[in-house]
Amino acid sequence: NAGVTQTPKFRVLKTGQSMTLLCAQDMNHEYMYWYRQDPGMGLRLIHYSVGEGTTAKGEVPDGYNVSRLKKQNFLLGLESAAPSQTSVYFCASSYLGEGEQYFGPGTRLTVT
Amino acid sequence: GNSVTQMEGPVTLSEEAFLTINCTYTATGYPSLFWYVQYPGEGLQLLLKATKADDKGSNKGFEATYRKETTSFHLEKGSVQVSDSAVYFCALPHGSGNTGKLIFGQGTTLQVKP
Repeated sequence: NAGVTQTPKFRVLKTGQSMTLLCAQDMNHEYMYWYRQDPGMGLRLIHYSVGEGTTAKGEVPDGYNVSRLKKQNFLLGLESAAPSQTSVYFCASSYLGEGEQYFGPGTRLTVT
Repeated sequence: GNSVTQMEGPVTLSEEAFLTINCTYTATGYPSLFWYVQYPGEGLQLLLKATKADDKGSNKGFEATYRKETTSFHLEKGSVQVSDSAVYFCALPHGSGNTGKLIFGQGTTLQVKP
């Protein structure tokens, strides 16, 4: 039982490049989330999903897209990376709507 | 919607000192309350939770009591260790429908010195 895994762990992009971050969970959770964590800003929700095939915007969705084609996977895409997207990205999942969230180890992204 | 206010850090303590990290909330009804911990270079992990008023959550020597009278959920530990150095987040459900979203406090950095 690996829990929540994230790929890759580190990435450096140049401005304008695109990439996809992959989140996978093996706990059969319905709900999945993408956050970014920046110094002094705490955790901010980017997008989330309440089930396979569904996505919704969070607090800071601009510049990101997501897809949830399979229940166990939640992908976060950056179509045209900007230096402001330099951050640590965390994926999380939960079984119940009001329950605890389980976090992945994070992806550290630097955009130059 | 719901909200949470957490004491700012950093908090620096000597080993075996008593720890309190304050957390207050505003919420509709009586939602579950959570404390998460983030060790250096890792993701957040649930430290403890309380699901109703007057409940006490506990784990790894940490405790927090859900107090509806003062709308607080303060984190305490009687004797901290160097290994407790981490960032601590108070959290509660967003309160807007069954989305599973959590509201996190800004986080409090704890540094424990030997």
